[in-house]
Order: sequence, then C-alpha cells, then structure tokens
Amino acid sequence: EAGVTQFPSHSVIEKGQTVTLRCDPISGHDNLYWYRRVMGKEIKFLLHFVKESKQDESGMPNNRFLAERTGGTYSTLKVQPAELEDSGVYFCASSRDGDHSNYGYTFGSGTRLTVV
Amino acid sequence: GQNIDQPTEMTATEGAIVQINCTYQTSGFNGLFWYQQHAGEAPTFLSYNVLDGLEEKGRFSSFLSRSKGYSYLLLKELQMKDSASYLCAVWTNAGKSTFGDGTTLTVKP
Repeated sequence: EAGVTQFPSHSVIEKGQTVTLRCDPISGHDNLYWYRRVMGKEIKFLLHFVKESKQDESGMPNNRFLAERTGGTYSTLKVQPAELEDSGVYFCASSRDGDHSNYGYTFGSGTRLTVV
Repeated sequence: GQNIDQPTEMTATEGAIVQINCTYQTSGFNGLFWYQQHAGEAPTFLSYNVLDGLEEKGRFSSFLSRSKGYSYLLLKELQMKDSASYLCAVWTNAGKSTFGDGTTLTVKP
C-alpha cells in the first residue's frame, strides 16, 4: 500500500505570506494526525482527525493555523499569516484505528517549512 | 501535563550494545512507543510496550516499568545503519502520542 504522502517536501515563504500543507494518509486510515518539530525540539502534537471530524485540536498554537479534512480523505494545514516561529518540520501521520498499538503511527516524510 | 526525558546524544561502536533510556511523567498512560528516524525521513515504528517487562524483536528490545515511569530501547550487534534518532512516545487515553526530544545515536566503526 502507498504510504503517507506529504506535499510539498520543502517550502520557503516570507513572513506574512500564506502556506498550505497537504497530507494524503494511507487509504482506509480514519485517524489522521498533524505534528510539528520546531528548532530540533520534540515532535509536538497539533491535532487529530477521525474521518472528517476534529477529535482533538488542543495542540494548535493559535488561530493562524487552520486544518481541514473535507470528506475524510486528505487533509490540509494552512498557516495564515506565517510568522518566523512557524518554521519547522510538519509531520502528518495516520492510523487505521485509534488503537494503533500493534503498528504505531505511519508517518509521512514531513514538510520542511522555512519562514524568512 | 506530559514530561518525557531521554538523552540528547549517544555514541556507540559497531557490533556493540547500546541502551537508550526514557523516563516519563504522564496521566492517562496507555503504553509507550519507540520510533526510529533517519535524517530527513519519516519516523518509523519500532516497538510498543503496554505491560511491564521486555519485548524482544530481533536485534531490538524494549523494556517498560509502569511503576517507575521508565523505558529503555536496547540495540544489539549495532550496525552503521542504526545511526539515527530514536524517539520515545507515550500514548495516553487522550488518544494521542506525546514525543520526547529524541536521542541521536551515532554508530562508529
């Protein structure tokens, strides 16, 4: 099966611009997660979708971040307007069930966002 | 809140054994994952522990003590390709995993 796909792999934008990241989970995976790693720190949770519904968005840093998953398939994460501190690697992960203990998350390769 | 600690960096020699420790303080603990991440790549699942004790999977083993809030990942017969970042992640009943900063392991010839 195809893995989790993220696009773009790299993005360099100016402060104040808008960027939209996309994640295509593994087909049939209802659970989709967004995480980000900033400045070499830990991978931090942003939010969790179950199908098209936001199960938990407690990690979203502020209202400049908007995540959607229309139709319960792919997801987008929009940052508008981008700030310097938003630079980092944004990871998407998916799992078939909430209980993913047998196999963990399947991660995408991430989008490296640089805001200049 | 969650607090997960693991060493930042470790170095070991090819063929040797290395143990990467992880301590955690968390509420609603379900289990603990270990992931491996090579530079520029996606983290990949290594192991999951929910009960106390050692889980062995080939050259990699993972141990958990729930009462002590402690886990370790044991890598045997180290190979150069094992050079990577190793991420400890706690899965809670909130339905998400919380990650430590990761341990960068360098394997030298």
